[in-house]
Amino acid sequence: QVQLVQSGAEMKKPGASVKISCKASGYAFSSYFMHWVRQAPGQGLEWMGIIDPSGTHTSYAQKLQGRVTVTRDTSTSSVYMELNSLRSEDTAIYYCAREPSGSGCIDFWGQGTLITVTS
Amino acid sequence: QSALTQPASVSGSPGQSITISCTGTSSDVGSSNLVSWYQQHPGKAPKVMIYEGSKRPSGVSNRFSGSKSGNTASLTISGLQAEDEAEYYCCSYAGSSTYVFGAGTKVSVL
Repeated sequence: QVQLVQSGAEMKKPGASVKISCKASGYAFSSYFMHWVRQAPGQGLEWMGIIDPSGTHTSYAQKLQGRVTVTRDTSTSSVYMELNSLRSEDTAIYYCAREPSGSGCIDFWGQGTLITVTS
Repeated sequence: QSALTQPASVSGSPGQSITISCTGTSSDVGSSNLVSWYQQHPGKAPKVMIYEGSKRPSGVSNRFSGSKSGNTASLTISGLQAEDEAEYYCCSYAGSSTYVFGAGTKVSVL
């Protein structure tokens, strides 16, 4: 069955960086776009970025440009999201999610990773 | 990339129909067929209910339907049931390989 298994919760200090992993299984990883979406406590969903199936092209939300990097490793069927210069407002659950190529629709989500930024 | 505008809350009695609106701009909702809707129960990951504006994934009840007019997309839930109580988010392609979510609508079943 399709699975997106994310790395565990982390606590970080302001100014630090975090890198979250997401390991895919149960489907053809190389055929899907991968998104990252976050949700601050009690808040809505915020789209962060996307990487294409080949790992060649990425695109990010304007407000996160320069702080976020999404990469993927086809050999391990994993996608990664690194966020730098962490602030308290980056405290959120971070989700990886897959999109069937060209559908513009996220059809499966990871379980989420809680990142807490606190001094 | 401002969040798409959704009503904060919508409520209805069991069996009734409700409609959630999602208003964007000519740069996102107005120019894209790639509008999707997600249902999220507390503590759970979102689940897609509608994609490409009006298509239902396999397994999603036909009580859920989507449409679009101009810069506004809509999700209609007919025959409202207790299990439909959740948060609902719209999402639209916004050009240049970017996407934007709506602020979310809490659906309450009275």
